Amino acid sequence: LAKTTQPISMDSYEGQEVNITCSHNNIATNDYITWYQQFPSQGPRFIIQGYKTKVTNEVASLFIPADRKSSTLSLPRVSLSDTAVYYCLVGGGVYNQGGKLIFGQGTELSVKP
Amino acid sequence: EPEVTQTPSHQVTQMGQEVILRCVPISNHLYFYWYRQILGQKVEFLVSFYNNEISEKSEIFDDQFSVERPDGSNFTLKIRSTKLEDSAMYFCASSTLGGDPTDTQYFGPGTRLTVL
Repeated sequence: LAKTTQPISMDSYEGQEVNITCSHNNIATNDYITWYQQFPSQGPRFIIQGYKTKVTNEVASLFIPADRKSSTLSLPRVSLSDTAVYYCLVGGGVYNQGGKLIFGQGTELSVKP
Repeated sequence: EPEVTQTPSHQVTQMGQEVILRCVPISNHLYFYWYRQILGQKVEFLVSFYNNEISEKSEIFDDQFSVERPDGSNFTLKIRSTKLEDSAMYFCASSTLGGDPTDTQYFGPGTRLTVL
């Protein structure tokens, strides 16, 4: 499973766009990039997943450059309720590994009024 | 939207006692997982379960731990003799595709286990 590096913390203000970048230099050909969100005292929640280029859903966008060695989660117009820890996970390149997810420390996003 | 549920939300026990944490995965999911998160630390994988057997387990999941799917809906984690260091949030998760790269795991709200 590819090692990921992301900032430990970020601050933002309500209404701003937040971009969290994750580095994964040794990503494998079949690996997907997945982001989870975790609020305090809650379980992680899937946000978005992608393989290459750009993926957008109702919550976020995920930008993946051609070399796939990094990815950027973009949260448009954040609100106080977006304060959470955001995890970048890379893997799944080998089918039937048992499906375990390997979480890093994540990025603690703090949104201020 | 279907969700994973867990009971109890908080369990307090004495060191050396047995605890059973319960989970009801999403009904059409076939793959089940337990994770734990010690306060202030990262989420750690414990075990994955499919077709009534363990698919993979971590080093944390030693002989004191066991999992079971006693019926068609529940998925349980048993800790036989709890230790102080077992105090953590325990999350159950389920998914449809198992180890497929595009799989999405859905997590429950967690059970906070406190061992005194």
